[in-house]
Amino acid sequence: AQSVTQLGSHVSVSEGALVLLRCNYSSSVPPYLFWYVQYPNQGLQLLLKYTSAATLVKGINGFEAEFKKSETSFHLTKPSAHMSDAAEYFCAVSDSWGKLQFGAGTQVVVTP
Amino acid sequence: DTGVSQDPRHKITKRGQNVTFRCDPISEHNRLYWYRQTLGQGPEFLTYFQNEAQLEKSRLLSDRFSAERPKGSFSTLEIQRTEQGDSAMYLCASSLGGTRGEAFFGQGTRLTVV
Repeated sequence: AQSVTQLGSHVSVSEGALVLLRCNYSSSVPPYLFWYVQYPNQGLQLLLKYTSAATLVKGINGFEAEFKKSETSFHLTKPSAHMSDAAEYFCAVSDSWGKLQFGAGTQVVVTP
Repeated sequence: DTGVSQDPRHKITKRGQNVTFRCDPISEHNRLYWYRQTLGQGPEFLTYFQNEAQLEKSRLLSDRFSAERPKGSFSTLEIQRTEQGDSAMYLCASSLGGTRGEAFFGQGTRLTVV
């Protein structure tokens, strides 16, 4: 069975500071990993995906994530937080049919 | 293409009533998924379709829930005899299929059972 664990349900960052959201996965086969963002009362928007082509994945809005097999991690980072980054972020792993297993989410608050 | 569309966006119903939600996927996408998201949680898988065939149903999908995708186009999710525990955001997603086909989500339907 595949699963992901997001460490930290809430993260508070200052505007301009580094954003780091942690995700660890469990998978018996090479995983397909995703980060999604959700704004209040909205659906999920794909930020980036890992499909084994490259371990450092760049996404939209300045986000990137690094796949580390030895640590079973897929942490999301952004060098400089913007107020518009305030949202909930979900890490997910996909099975061969595209069914997603999501983590519990991390709420990001950006302070001026 | 306007993306995945869900209707209605909000639904308030009395306990015991039946409700039906509709999802229109991106036109060329052959896979369609339904998820449920409760407050403060990540989405949980309910069911999915490959064209018109329903290939998997989660144990979360009780007998009161039924989903269809006639002709492999839009999909409906019906909940019969709603309960307060059914209150949640119901999300629909579609994809081209294949392990690299990322899912595109609709805006969701928020159900409140009173």
